[in-house]
This record gives sequence, C-alpha cells and structure tokens, in this order.
Amino acid sequence: NAGVTQTPKFRVLKTGQSMTLLCAQDMNHEYMYWYRQDPGMGLRLIHYSVGEGTTAKGEVPDGYNVSRLKKQNFLLGLESAAPSQTSVYFCASRAAAWPQYFGPGTRLLVL
Amino acid sequence: DQQVKQNSPSLSVQEGRISILNCDYTNSMFDYFLWYKKYPAEGPTFLISISSIKDKNEDGRFTVFLNKSAKHLSLHIVPSQPGDSAVYFCAASVRGNNRLAFGKGNQVVVIP
Repeated sequence: NAGVTQTPKFRVLKTGQSMTLLCAQDMNHEYMYWYRQDPGMGLRLIHYSVGEGTTAKGEVPDGYNVSRLKKQNFLLGLESAAPSQTSVYFCASRAAAWPQYFGPGTRLLVL
Repeated sequence: DQQVKQNSPSLSVQEGRISILNCDYTNSMFDYFLWYKKYPAEGPTFLISISSIKDKNEDGRFTVFLNKSAKHLSLHIVPSQPGDSAVYFCAASVRGNNRLAFGKGNQVVVIP
C-alpha cells in the first residue's frame, strides 16, 4: 500500500496562474481532507469530503476549489494563485474512525 | 478562535529524560483527542489517541493523559530519544463532526 500520495511535491507559480494538486489514497477511505500549514499557524483545513461526489468547506476555503469525482482521488484547485497561497499543502484520508493519515505534502511557492 | 491550544512552542530535553507536552482545549464537546508527530519535509504521522471516556492511554514510550474537568491533555514520552525530535500536534474532534481542530504544534528537541 502506498497510503496517501500527493502530486506534485513542489511547484512554483506566478501570481494569477492556476494549478491542481492531486491527492490519491489506496486505502478505500471515505473521508479525505486538504490542509495548509504555515509557520506558526498549525494545520488549517481548506476543504474536505465525506465520500465520492461530496465536498465541504473548511476554515480557510477562499481561493480554492475541490473535486472528488473518484473515491480514491481528491483534487485541490487554485484558479488564480496569490502570494498568500504560498504554503505547504497536506492531504489526509481516513476510514469511518479516526485517525486520519497524511500524505507527504506539496510545497507551493507563488511569486 | 483557537479551540485547541499548545503553549510553550518549543521544548529541549536530554536523551533518556521525560518529555511532557501540554494541550488545552476550550470546546467541552470534544470527545476524541489525537497526537501527531511531524518531521521536517514530511507529513504528520499519527502517534496516539484517547477517547473522552478514558483518562489515560499508553503505547510503548508514549502516554496521553486527559483531564476533562480542566480541559487539558498531555503527552509523556519516556525515555526521550533523539528520533523523537519533531513537531508534535494536538488535535480534537466532536462526535459526529468530520473535522479535527489542531493546535499550532510544539517543537521538541532531544539532546543526545
């Protein structure tokens, strides 16, 4: 089992560019999450999904969109990147019970 | 509003001694608590958890204590090892809520 994987590992964007971060899990988990981690801020939830075809907003959803077309994948989109979106992004998944399991992260730099 | 708080952002401890990490919460509806460990450039990994029906859970060198009346939990690492040097996050959830509330993390440095 690969667990939770994230693509890409690192990306540099210019302000206004768009991109999609891919999260994949092979554990047949229903729940998937996108977080961002910034210095001194801990982990903040962007969006999450409780099952295929569903999405919900977390605490910092502005500027991001998500899709869960397949159970194993959860995509995070930035339509028009801003320097404030420079961060490390983590995806996580879980079964019905806690805990959730995290991917290795994607480092994003927006210039 | 930070519902899960981790004060004392960094801790240095000698190898072999005890590391104690503290976590306070404000939401009395939290009923499940978790600790995660994070190395640089890696994702957080689950360490240990505790349900609100218990006041202690132990797994090897790691023990989590829960004091519901004080809305406080702590993580004890005994004995501390250099590989324990990492950032530790406390997290909590409310039954039926699909989200975790995270603290900001504590940096632990174990000195050989």
